[in-house]
Amino acid sequence: DADVTQTPRNRITKTGKRIMLECSQTKGHDRMYWYRQDPGLGLRLIYYSFDVKDINKGEISDGYSVSRQAQAKFSLSLESAIPNQTALYFCATLGPFEGYTFGSGTRLTVV
Amino acid sequence: AQSVSQHNHHVILSEAASLELGCNYSYGGTVNLFWYVQYPGQHLQLLLKYFSGDPLVKGIKGFEAEFIKSKFSFNLRKPSVQWSDTAEYFCAVNGGSGNTGKLIFGQGTTLQVKP
Repeated sequence: DADVTQTPRNRITKTGKRIMLECSQTKGHDRMYWYRQDPGLGLRLIYYSFDVKDINKGEISDGYSVSRQAQAKFSLSLESAIPNQTALYFCATLGPFEGYTFGSGTRLTVV
Repeated sequence: AQSVSQHNHHVILSEAASLELGCNYSYGGTVNLFWYVQYPGQHLQLLLKYFSGDPLVKGIKGFEAEFIKSKFSFNLRKPSVQWSDTAEYFCAVNGGSGNTGKLIFGQGTTLQVKP
């Protein structure tokens, strides 16, 4: 099993719909991050969390919310999806010794 | 604010050619530097990282990078590329106060290696 698992792998949704992207990890890391990747822009940080009670906004948090349900789970929600949220989304964990571990990504298309 | 700039957006090379991808960052304090690779349809994988010590860092698959503090640069090199190196490459920086662990990524460089 992958250390960082993202579901779904691909999703097409309609404008205005609410959607949740899920991330779970077996690394035992406290720190978790959500990034989005757009062509020509690299990866940009949406939200990050140090533990279940510590949630922080990244550089592009507008239109997104997160939930840290447990140390192992960190979900990203789009309350009302819009087409410019079409992107590849990555979850990552950070450990004190291993560094960052990225999930396989969720490709989201908003039509 | 920190930023990372990758100068080459799209590079096309023939097999066995040498590769150098530029990366510059804008932060004057202590930084940790990374190069990641993303093969088509896959997630990011760490190629190499620099935290401290020898500024010439060797990574996986024959890649290396040199940290030049005076130039705020961390360029990636490989003496002889292979077709399997076709991928997107990202430079990233982690630094600043608070030790948040946030990574700031460059825009990415797409490398296409022709057989």
